[in-house]
Amino acid sequence: DIQMTQSPASLSASLEEIVTITCQASQDIGNYLSWYQQKPGKSPQLLIHSATSLADGVPSRFSGSRSGTQYSLKINRLQVEDTGIYYCLQHYSAPRTFGGGTKLELK
Amino acid sequence: EVQLVESGGGLVQPGRSMKLSCAASGFTFSNYGMAWVRQAPTKGLEWVATISYDGSSTYYRDSVKGRFTISRDNAKSTLYLQMNSLRSEDTATYYCTRESPFDYWGQGVMVTVSS
Repeated sequence: DIQMTQSPASLSASLEEIVTITCQASQDIGNYLSWYQQKPGKSPQLLIHSATSLADGVPSRFSGSRSGTQYSLKINRLQVEDTGIYYCLQHYSAPRTFGGGTKLELK
Repeated sequence: EVQLVESGGGLVQPGRSMKLSCAASGFTFSNYGMAWVRQAPTKGLEWVATISYDGSSTYYRDSVKGRFTISRDNAKSTLYLQMNSLRSEDTATYYCTRESPFDYWGQGVMVTVSS
C-alpha cells in the first residue's frame, strides 16, 4: 500500500501569512494527488487535483506543487476562512490513501 | 449542479447489517467511478471502497473485505454500500464521492455500531 506522510499535523499562522503543507508519498504516484479542506461538521472540499490544478471556484491563493514524490499545498495570504483541516489523497492505486491531516488555525 | 445524497445510516448492533444508499444527480452517473469514504469521530478520512463506472471492478480496504459490498444501479443513478458483520470500529460518518479524484462529496451519513 502507498503511504502518505503529511506534515505538519497542526499549524498556527497569522492573517496574510504564507502557509505550506506537505505530503510525502512512499512511492511514485505521478500527479495522482489531490488536496482537500474540511471544516467542522462539513464534507471535504476539493482544492487541488492532479497535484497542481486548482479546482473550480477555489481562490487563486491556493496552489499545489510537486517535487518527485513530495507534494505541497501553499496558501498565499492566509484568510480567516482558510482555517480547517487539510488532507492530501493519492488516487494512483487502490487502496486510496489519505494523509493524516493538518489542522490549520489562526494565530 | 452535482448532488450526492446519502441515506440509510443509524444505530446498529455489532454483528448486524446495514445498507447505505447514495442518490446522484447533476451528472451522467454511468460515466464515473464512485467511492465510499468514512471518518470516525474526531479522526481523519479513510477510503473504504471504489467501484468502476460500469460496476465491473470493485476495490476494498483490507479491514472491510468480505464484509462490505459496494454496488451501483446506473439506471437509478444510485450507489450502495452493503455492510455486514458490523463492528464497533466501523462507527463513522460515511461519505459517497465521485472518482477520480474525489471531486464531489455527499453530506455524509452517520453509522453507529453499538449494543
